[in-house]
Amino acid sequence: EVQLVESGGGLVQPGGSLRLSCAASGFTFNTYWMSWVRQAPGKGLEWVANIKQDGTEKYYVDSVKGRFTISRDNAKNSLYLQMNSLRAEDTAVYYCARDHYCSGGVCYTLYYDYWGQGTLVTVSS
Amino acid sequence: DIQMTQSPSSLSASVGDRVTITCQASQDISSYLNWYQQKPGKAPKLLIYGASNLETGVPSRFSGSGSGTDFTFTISSLQPEDIATYYCQQYTNLPPFTFGPGTKVDIK
Repeated sequence: EVQLVESGGGLVQPGGSLRLSCAASGFTFNTYWMSWVRQAPGKGLEWVANIKQDGTEKYYVDSVKGRFTISRDNAKNSLYLQMNSLRAEDTAVYYCARDHYCSGGVCYTLYYDYWGQGTLVTVSS
Repeated sequence: DIQMTQSPSSLSASVGDRVTITCQASQDISSYLNWYQQKPGKAPKLLIYGASNLETGVPSRFSGSGSGTDFTFTISSLQPEDIATYYCQQYTNLPPFTFGPGTKVDIK
């Protein structure tokens, strides 16, 4: 059974930092891209970042570029999101999601079929 | 960046009604369009991928169609357990992989 379990959320002051983790199990982690998606209270879904299987490619939404860093440890089947210079508008539930995989130059599963339960990040003084 | 719009933003329908939600992309996304269901306090759930493909285990009353810039999501016979917010998402080659603003569905 595929499982994604986020941790690391909490209350942080504006300008502070937080590191989110996502522990993956039930699938071959190092064959999939992985993503972070967030949802501000009462708002819609926003894609935040994703990372290639081997960590060599990373993409971010403009609003977090230069402040957030996505990374992964395939030996530990774990995904991370380092969040620095946090702002009130970063307050949200952060979900990790299984992204696509590519094989032989063709990419498959261009959707998020598995999601974690989410972890709440609150940026407030 | 590709922008996604959805309509309506909310709707109220009776059990057994046919419900239709539309999603429009700001540019051609071929069939790279997914639909998710989200219930309060829960993570989103994939229902439809590639515009019209039903995810395994999802009831057949859910369906999707469209290509290019215009897409439709349909619940053929609304059930009480379908009360949720529905999001479309474009997933073309380049990020950001934007979501629509969502459509909240409830029972009349």
